[in-house]
Amino acid sequence: AQSVTQLGSHVSVSEGALVLLRCNYSSSVPPYLFWYVQYPNQGLQLLLKYTSAATLVKGINGFEAEFKKSETSFHLTKPSAHMSDAAEYFCAVSLGTASKLTFGTGTRLQVTL
Amino acid sequence: KAGVTQTPRYLIKTRGQQVTLSCSPISGHRSVSWYQQTPGQGLQFLFEYFSETQRNKGNFPGRFSGRQFSNSRSEMNVSTLELGDSALYLCASSLAAGFYEQYFGPGTRLTVT
Repeated sequence: AQSVTQLGSHVSVSEGALVLLRCNYSSSVPPYLFWYVQYPNQGLQLLLKYTSAATLVKGINGFEAEFKKSETSFHLTKPSAHMSDAAEYFCAVSLGTASKLTFGTGTRLQVTL
Repeated sequence: KAGVTQTPRYLIKTRGQQVTLSCSPISGHRSVSWYQQTPGQGLQFLFEYFSETQRNKGNFPGRFSGRQFSNSRSEMNVSTLELGDSALYLCASSLAAGFYEQYFGPGTRLTVT
């Protein structure tokens, strides 16, 4: 069975500061990993995905994530936070030939002036 | 290209009633998955349909059911509603089953009173 752990349910950064959202996964087989963002009263938007190609994955809105097998991690980063980045972020994993996504509990990002 | 659409967006039902939610995938997408989002349990996988067949099912009671039509549109039904069924129900579509990106709709907010 696969699982995802997101460390920190709330993260607050200043505008212009580095954003780092942590995600660790547990999987018995090579996983596919995803980061999604959810704005209030909206669905989920795909930020980026890791599918066993490059370990450093670039996504939309300046976000990127690095797959580290030795650390079983897939942390999300952005060099400079913007007010519009305030939202909830979810890390997710899928395995095998199943489309089923298993989500972490989410991290709410607050961006302050 | 239009995104995933879900109807209705908001719904209020009474305990014991049943409800049907609808999802229209992105044009050309043949796989549809459903997820339930609640503050307590987070995002949980309900089921996945591909070519009118259920491929995967999450750990939900039999009151939760779904189907997919030949045009890939999908419906989910919840019978004998309970207060705990109040949630945001999200539909996601992808090109096919397996390791494909899932694109989410805005969700249907169901409130059970």
